[in-house]
Amino acid sequence: NAGVTQTPKFRVLKTGQSMTLLCAQDMNHEYMYWYRQDPGMGLRLIHYSVGEGTTAKGEVPDGYNVSRLKKQNFLLGLESAAPSQTSVYFCASSGRTSEGGQYFGPGTRLLVL
Amino acid sequence: GESVGLHLPTLSVQEGDNSIINCAYSNSASDYFIWYKQESGKGPQFIIDIRSNMDKRQGQRVTVLLNKTVKHLSLQIAATQPGDSAVYFCAERASNAGGTSYGKLTFGQGTILTVHP
Repeated sequence: NAGVTQTPKFRVLKTGQSMTLLCAQDMNHEYMYWYRQDPGMGLRLIHYSVGEGTTAKGEVPDGYNVSRLKKQNFLLGLESAAPSQTSVYFCASSGRTSEGGQYFGPGTRLLVL
Repeated sequence: GESVGLHLPTLSVQEGDNSIINCAYSNSASDYFIWYKQESGKGPQFIIDIRSNMDKRQGQRVTVLLNKTVKHLSLQIAATQPGDSAVYFCAERASNAGGTSYGKLTFGQGTILTVHP
């Protein structure tokens, strides 16, 4: 099992550009999450999904959109990137019982100039 | 222990010593707690978890203690090794009563552990 994978690993954007981060999991997990991690801060939840075709806002959703068209994939979109969105983005997934916690991907480092 | 702010707490130990990392959680209704380890350039990795109906749980070289009275969680690492150097996060999950937590976790800000050979 590959677990949770993320693409790309690193990206540089100019202010106003758009991009999509892709997350894939092969554990048949119901729940998926997108976080951002900034220096000196813990992980903050952007959006999450409790199943195919459903999404919900987390703690810091502004400026991001998500879609979960397939159970195994969770996409995070930035429609118009801003320097404040420079961060490391992590995707995670968990089973319905959530025991054992969330499984994290390796992260995507995004720099917005 | 963990605190609000831009500077992460740090803990430096010698190889072979025992390490204790502390965490104050916020929600008295949280029913499940997890410790994660994050190495540089990687995603967080599960270490150990504990339910709120327990006060201690042991794993391989790690022990988690939970004190619900003061909302405090600690991670003890025995015989710390250089490979244990990382940032350690605690995370709490609000009670899943009614099935609405959806596994969402609230993370602490992390503690940097440095192990010197």
